[in-house]
Amino acid sequence: DAKTTQPPSMDCAEGRAANLPCNHSTISGNEYVYWYRQIHSQGPQYIIHGLKNNETNEMASLIITEDRKSSTLILPHATLRDTAVYYCIVSSPYSGSARQLTFGSGTQLTVLP
Amino acid sequence: EAQVTQNPRYLITVTGKKLTVTCSQNMNHEYMSWYRQDPGLGLRQIYYSMNVEVTDKGDVPEGYKVSRKEKRNFPLILESPSPNQTSLYFCASSPRQTMNTEAFFGQGTRLTVV
Repeated sequence: DAKTTQPPSMDCAEGRAANLPCNHSTISGNEYVYWYRQIHSQGPQYIIHGLKNNETNEMASLIITEDRKSSTLILPHATLRDTAVYYCIVSSPYSGSARQLTFGSGTQLTVLP
Repeated sequence: EAQVTQNPRYLITVTGKKLTVTCSQNMNHEYMSWYRQDPGLGLRQIYYSMNVEVTDKGDVPEGYKVSRKEKRNFPLILESPSPNQTSLYFCASSPRQTMNTEAFFGQGTRLTVV
């Protein structure tokens, strides 16, 4: 699986949009970008994933650049409960599941009141 | 409610005393796996299973065993635990279809081996 690079930490004001970047310059054509988060020491929680088009669900939006070498996870209105470690994972369709997810070090997002 | 259930949530044991951490999912998922999480090392996969009676090693399988006799259950067995297996353990499951799959994680088991 391609590796990803994320900033180790970010702060965001409550109510504002949180934009979490991820670089994945070695991503290959069939690999998806997945985002998970882990609140404190709870089990990781799936947020969103995409291949090349931008995606949106009830939790977040995922913006993938045209060359697919980077992406941004957007939490449109961050709340204190969004404070967590966010993981960007690049994986093939056959591995984007419990078969094998390779977690990096992630970004610690702290939402400030 | 769709969920992955691990038991126990917390366990303190002594070196060499065999233990089993159970994992059960109610979503009829084919794939299940075990991870351990350690400070500075992130989440690392121990074992995974693609279906009943089909298991394979992950990145850090030494010292662990698994079995998959039923689709819903995937226990993690430590035959002779050692202090370096002190960690936070997570079980995960997901359906087999390749597209639009997300993994569901349990709430974790914090194991301390003294």
